[in-house]
Amino acid sequence: GQQLNQSPQSMFIQEGEDVSMNCTSSSIFNTWLWYKQDPGEGPVLLIALYKAGELTSNGRLTAQFGITRKDSFLNISASIPSDVGIYFCAGQLGGGGADGLTFGKGTHLIIQP
Amino acid sequence: DTGVSQNPRHKITKRGQNVTFRCDPISEHNRLYWYRQTLGQGPEFLTYFQNEAQLEKSRLLSDRFSAERPKGSFSTLEIQRTEQGDSAMYLCASSRQGVRSAGAIYFGEGSWLTVV
Repeated sequence: GQQLNQSPQSMFIQEGEDVSMNCTSSSIFNTWLWYKQDPGEGPVLLIALYKAGELTSNGRLTAQFGITRKDSFLNISASIPSDVGIYFCAGQLGGGGADGLTFGKGTHLIIQP
Repeated sequence: DTGVSQNPRHKITKRGQNVTFRCDPISEHNRLYWYRQTLGQGPEFLTYFQNEAQLEKSRLLSDRFSAERPKGSFSTLEIQRTEQGDSAMYLCASSRQGVRSAGAIYFGEGSWLTVV
C-alpha cells in the first residue's frame, strides 16, 4: 500500500527560527494536505495543495506540492511558542473521497525558550 | 461553520461491550469520513460516505466495526464486542464535493476510546 515518509521525526528549535519539514511517497498523489495536531485534539487543516508545483502560503506557513507528485514540504517562518505540536502530511490519490487520506507519522515540533 | 462535532469525547468501556460514536459534520458537507488514530501514528482511514451512501468500507478493521449515515447528515460509528486493541482515538472528518475543494478535509476533535 501507499506509505508516506515524513521527516524529521522531531525538531528542537529556538523561538524565532525557521522550520522545514517534508514528506515523500512511493506513490503519486493528486492532493497533498498539511495538518497540525495538539495533544488530545483532532488534526487542524493548515494548507491544501491540489496541483503539482503549487506553492501556497498561510500566514507564516508555506507549503509546496512537488513536481513529481511524490513529495511535499512545509516551512514555518519565525516560529512562536504556539507552533508547538505534531505536524502531519497527508496525501490523497483521487478527488472522489473513497481513497481516503494516507498520513505520515508526523513531525514533533518542540520550541525551546 | 461550526466545525465537525463528535461525541462523546471520551468513553471508557469494558471489554466485550458495544460502543457508539456520533459525528455531526460541517453543514453542507456531503462527504463524511471516519479515521482511527493510535498513539504515535497518523490517522488511519476507515470508511467514507457521500451523502447517505457508504462508498468505501473495505478498510473497516473488522466486522465488529460498522458505520451509518441514514439521512446524509450525522453519522455513527459502532464497535461491537470491544477488545483492548480497539483503544484509540476515533476521528470524524467532512468535506464538500467540488472540483478544487475535494481535498479540503476537516476533522473533528475526536472521540477517545479506552477499553478496560
